[in-house]
Amino acid sequence: EAGVTQFPSHSVIEKGQTVTLRCDPISGHDNLYWYRRVMGKEIKFLLHFVKESKQDESGMPNNRFLAERTGGTYSTLKVQPAELEDSGVYFCASSLGLRTDTQYFGPGTRLTVL
Amino acid sequence: QKEVEQDPGPLSVPEGAIVSLNCTYSNSAFQYFMWYRQYSRKGPELLMYTYSSGNKEDGRFTAQVDKSSKYISLFIRDSQPSDSATYLCAMTGSARQLTFGSGTQLTVLP
Repeated sequence: EAGVTQFPSHSVIEKGQTVTLRCDPISGHDNLYWYRRVMGKEIKFLLHFVKESKQDESGMPNNRFLAERTGGTYSTLKVQPAELEDSGVYFCASSLGLRTDTQYFGPGTRLTVL
Repeated sequence: QKEVEQDPGPLSVPEGAIVSLNCTYSNSAFQYFMWYRQYSRKGPELLMYTYSSGNKEDGRFTAQVDKSSKYISLFIRDSQPSDSATYLCAMTGSARQLTFGSGTQLTVLP
């Protein structure tokens, strides 16, 4: 069974540009999460989808970040316009949604904003 | 103050040693406790999952939770060079989002 996949693995953009990150969860997993780790800090929650609905977006830093999950399958996270402080590793995770379920993480997308 | 505190290390031990990794937390709402292992340039991989105070053993790994002290530990017995990685504690309550510690970088020397 394929795990969580993320694309691209690495993105380098200039301040002010737009970047879109993609996450493909494990097939059948209704729950999808975005997290990020900025340099020197812990991994922090961004938002949580249940199928195509945003269940919790309390971790989104500001309105430059837009997440979508059309059809309840893959998800995209767009940063527009990117700022220097957006640099970090963006992780996606998925789970079945059981009470004590496991979140399976993808390899992450390393975003560098110059 | 961070909700979860974890000593970042780095921690370096000889092969075969017992490793002890620890986290403390401040949020009483946390009910489920996890340890993830992360190799360089990879995503976190779940090692242990517990939801009650006490010990849980899986092979060379033992997870310990003390809710009264808000303290969790991971013990690795007979450590191997392949255990060299960053170990992350994580926890959650009724909300599904995970709150992570900063991670401890472990190196097991052959």
